[in-house]
Amino acid sequence: DAGVIQSPRHEVTEMGQEVTLRCKPISGHNSLFWYRQTMMRGLELLIYFNNNVPIDDSGMPEDRFSAKMPNASFSTLKIQPSEPRDSAVYFCASSFAGANPEQFFGPGTRLTVL
Amino acid sequence: AQSVAQPEDQVNVAEGNPLTVKCTYSVSGNPYLFWYVQYPNRGLQFLLKYITGDNLVKGSYGFEAEFNKSQTSFHLKKPSALVSDSALYFCAVRDMGNTPLVFGKGTRLSVIA
Repeated sequence: DAGVIQSPRHEVTEMGQEVTLRCKPISGHNSLFWYRQTMMRGLELLIYFNNNVPIDDSGMPEDRFSAKMPNASFSTLKIQPSEPRDSAVYFCASSFAGANPEQFFGPGTRLTVL
Repeated sequence: AQSVAQPEDQVNVAEGNPLTVKCTYSVSGNPYLFWYVQYPNRGLQFLLKYITGDNLVKGSYGFEAEFNKSQTSFHLKKPSALVSDSALYFCAVRDMGNTPLVFGKGTRLSVIA
């Protein structure tokens, strides 16, 4: 298996632009998680899905952030409009709700908003 | 609510010496406990987990962790540290339901040659 795939790996954009981050979970996994990592705040859970349904989005910082999971093999995290304080590394992770509950992380997307 | 504490921001150890990275947790009911490692510019990699059974859990790269229910701890250990073990280590916990992992803030391990 290729593991969790994220794209792009790096994104540099200007304040006010729309940013879309993409994630392909491991095949067969039914839970998907979006995290943000910064030096100041560490690793924060933004939102997670079970069976493509958003379960908890209380970690989404503002209405500028939105996430979708239209099918079991694809999810997006969108920021519109982006701001410099959104600069961070965004990770996607997936897991299977069963005997092996560990999450598997993608390589992350490093977002820089100028 | 579940929580994890990693009391040390930084741990320094000489190569060849044993290392310990500390973790304590709080969860209602029986915990699932995890350790992850993050190398620079990489995602988190799963090291090991405790679900049930033997309190001493062995994982990747020679790491092990000991579950101590009375002390609510799950310290990560390795008998002989390598320079290549230098990285950021995260402890995580979840309860038995299908909920996300709750991560500690991380401990940076530096192994000095």
